[in-house]
Amino acid sequence: AQSVTQLGSHVSVSEGALVLLRCNYSSSVPPYLFWYVQYPNQGLQLLLKYTSAATLVKGINDFEAEFKKSETSFHLTKPSAHMSDAAEYFCALRGIQGAQKLVFGQGTRLTINP
Amino acid sequence: KAGVTQTPRYLIKTRGQQVTLSCSPISGHRSVSWYQQTPGQGLQFLFEYFSETQRNKGNFPGRFSGRQFSNSRSEMNVSTLELGDSALYLCASSLDDRGTVSGANVLTFGAGSRLTVL
Repeated sequence: AQSVTQLGSHVSVSEGALVLLRCNYSSSVPPYLFWYVQYPNQGLQLLLKYTSAATLVKGINDFEAEFKKSETSFHLTKPSAHMSDAAEYFCALRGIQGAQKLVFGQGTRLTINP
Repeated sequence: KAGVTQTPRYLIKTRGQQVTLSCSPISGHRSVSWYQQTPGQGLQFLFEYFSETQRNKGNFPGRFSGRQFSNSRSEMNVSTLELGDSALYLCASSLDDRGTVSGANVLTFGAGSRLTVL
């Protein structure tokens, strides 16, 4: 079975500080991993994706994530938080055999303090 | 390029009624999938359609159904609504990548249909 665990349902950082959102996964097949962001009253927007081409993945708005197979992790980082980063972030997994089905983590709500 | 369009955006129903939600995928996308988002259960996969055929189904009761039309537009229906069906229903479309090794095709989500059951 495949699963995604996001550590910390709420994360709060100061504007300009490092953002670190944690994601661990479990998969019996090499996974494809994604980070999505959701702003209030909106759908999900893709931040970045891992598809085995490179372990360090860069996404939009200076977000990046590193795939670590030995730790089964795919943590999301951003060097300097901006007020506009306040949103809910979801890590998702898709196995090769999983077609278009994504398994999502529970989400992490990011708050930015001025 | 227009995104994924979901209608209606908001609706209120009462227990026992049924509801139909609509999704128009990005032009050229042939796969449409549906997800339910609730505060308690998070994001859960409902089903996926490709070429008018359901390819994959999540763990939901038979009251939840869907279909896809020849133009790739999709609808989902929930019958005999229960209070617990109150949720944001998200539709996502993608290019179909079955048979490729990439698996990199991304799901693009619509803004969702927020259903409230009273």
